[in-house]
Order: sequence, then C-alpha cells, then structure tokens
Amino acid sequence: DAGVIQSPRHEVTEMGQEVTLRCKPISGHNSLFWYRQTMMRGLELLIYFNNNVPIDDSGMPEDRFSAKMPNASFSTLKIQPSEPRDSAVYFCASMQGLANNEQFFGPGTRLTVL
Amino acid sequence: SQQGEEDPQALSIQEGENATMNCSYKTSINNLQWYRQNSGRGLVHLILIRSNEREKHSGRLRVTLDTSKKSSSLLITASRAADTASYFCATVRLGAQKLVFGQGTRLTINP
Repeated sequence: DAGVIQSPRHEVTEMGQEVTLRCKPISGHNSLFWYRQTMMRGLELLIYFNNNVPIDDSGMPEDRFSAKMPNASFSTLKIQPSEPRDSAVYFCASMQGLANNEQFFGPGTRLTVL
Repeated sequence: SQQGEEDPQALSIQEGENATMNCSYKTSINNLQWYRQNSGRGLVHLILIRSNEREKHSGRLRVTLDTSKKSSSLLITASRAADTASYFCATVRLGAQKLVFGQGTRLTINP
C-alpha cells in the first residue's frame, strides 16, 4: 500500500485565494483525520470522519474552513478565503476503526499564505 | 482540555546512551500512544499502550504507563543518530475517539 497520500505537498498562495488540500486514505481504513501543525500551537485536530461521515469538527477554526469526504477514498480540506495566519503544515491521517488503533499519517501539505 | 505534556521539551545525548522522555496527562484515558516525527515529515506511530497495561516493549523502545500518576515514559535504549526526531505522546480520553497530542520532545542524538 502506498500509505496516506496528500496533495499538493507545497502550496503558496495569496491572501484571499481559495485553497484546497486533498487526501487519499489507506484502502480499508474507515476513519480519516485532518490536523494542522504550527510552531506556536503544535498539532491540532481540525476534523475527523468515520465511514465518510463527519464526527467532530469542533477543531475547525472558522467558517472559512470546510472539509468533505465524498467517498471512502478521498477527502478535501478547503480554506476560503485564505489568510496569512492559516500558514501551517496540514496533515491527513487514516485509521481502521476508532480509538484503539494507530493512526497513519500522510507526508503533509505545507501551506504558505502571503 | 486534556493534553499530553512531554518533558523535557528538548533532549540532547550521545549516541549509544539511553533516552527517556516523559508524558503527563489530565483525565482518564482509553489508551496512550507515542509517535515520532522526523523533520519535514509526517508522524509515525511507535507504540500504543492501553489503560490496563503497565509496560510494553518494541525493539529498543520501552513504554510504561502509570494511570495513578497519569503519566507515561518512553525509553529508547542504545540510541542511534537516526533516532534524532521529535517524539509526541497522544492520549485518547475514556469514552472519546480522537487523539490529543502533546507539544513533543525534540531529541538530538550526537554522533
């Protein structure tokens, strides 16, 4: 298996632009997580899905952020409009089942908003 | 909110020495996990210990869990330069499903 796949790996955009991050989880995993990592705040959970259904989006910082999982093999995290403070590394992770298993992380997308 | 807190924040040792990192948390947990992150990479799962377990081993890794003190430790024996990375503990609160990560310990192994 190729592991969790994220694209793009790097994104540089200007303030106000729409940004879409993509994630393909490991085949057979039914839970998917979006995280954001910054030096100041560390690793924060934004939202997670189980069986394609959003379970907890309490970590989504603002209405500018939205996430979808239209099927078991694809998820997107969208920021519209983007702001400089959104600059961070965004990770997607997938897992089989729920709490008692390990999560497999993708390589991350480094987002820079100018 | 419950959050694992690692101690120390940074640790620098010589190759071959043992490295010990600690994690404390605040509420009852289902399990505690340790992850490693190399610079510029995603996190890699190292080991999971359940609340009814006290110690687990995996290769050169040894993890202990003391639920009465709400703390865990990760021991890396015979450290190697390749062990240089940040190490995070993460907890799953009892009744919850999501992982909450600590701020991590940055470990540097000097050759």
